[in-house]
Amino acid sequence: GAVVSQHPSRVICKSGTSVKIECRSLDFQATTMFWYRQFPKQSLMLMATSNEGSKATYEQGVEKDKFLINHASLTLSTLTVTSAHPEDSSFYICSARDQADTQYFGPGTRLTVL
Amino acid sequence: GQSLEQPSEVTAVEGAIVQINCTYQTSGFYGLSWYQQHDGGAPTFLSYNALDGLEETGRFSSFLSRSDSYGYLLLQELQMKDSASYFCAVTDTGRRALTFGSGTRLQVQP
Repeated sequence: GAVVSQHPSRVICKSGTSVKIECRSLDFQATTMFWYRQFPKQSLMLMATSNEGSKATYEQGVEKDKFLINHASLTLSTLTVTSAHPEDSSFYICSARDQADTQYFGPGTRLTVL
Repeated sequence: GQSLEQPSEVTAVEGAIVQINCTYQTSGFYGLSWYQQHDGGAPTFLSYNALDGLEETGRFSSFLSRSDSYGYLLLQELQMKDSASYFCAVTDTGRRALTFGSGTRLQVQP
């Protein structure tokens, strides 16, 4: 099946710093990628839809100035958590949609903000 | 908006068959997907239904009834490694993003 990678897999940062997470589709081009967040023992919640070459579409309640998304190419989307706080600690997962409309998820990035 | 309901927990024994139901409400339905997630891992795609009927992939099958806004995932010949959380997810007709149910934790016992 299709492969989506995420980097880093784990990151620990201090409160107030920014963290960038990369999501890559390795063997297909993805015009659309999605960013999800999952708190412990909860479901995945969509944060934003990332479209190549255009601005991301954010879900209600997600601060676009705090969670910066860039989708500069057909295989790469980045999520930057700016001025991170402990409540931003979560599992961040991206997915990429292929031409058959199937979404493939990256392995996730576990963010811990101290 | 979309909302999905699925049982929170299911327990079964090795070799058995288990069915996980999912009902949904959505303003624009495109398809129903099923994902498996082991603790600490990312979701892995299991199955997708856009049309009514049964889709079979090995030990896993998924069923959809659009008129009933209902689907299920059927797991046969359960193995210990099937212990995980299973999520149903609806794809909407607009942006075609996934809205996930709350997940069903399956515990397979020896």
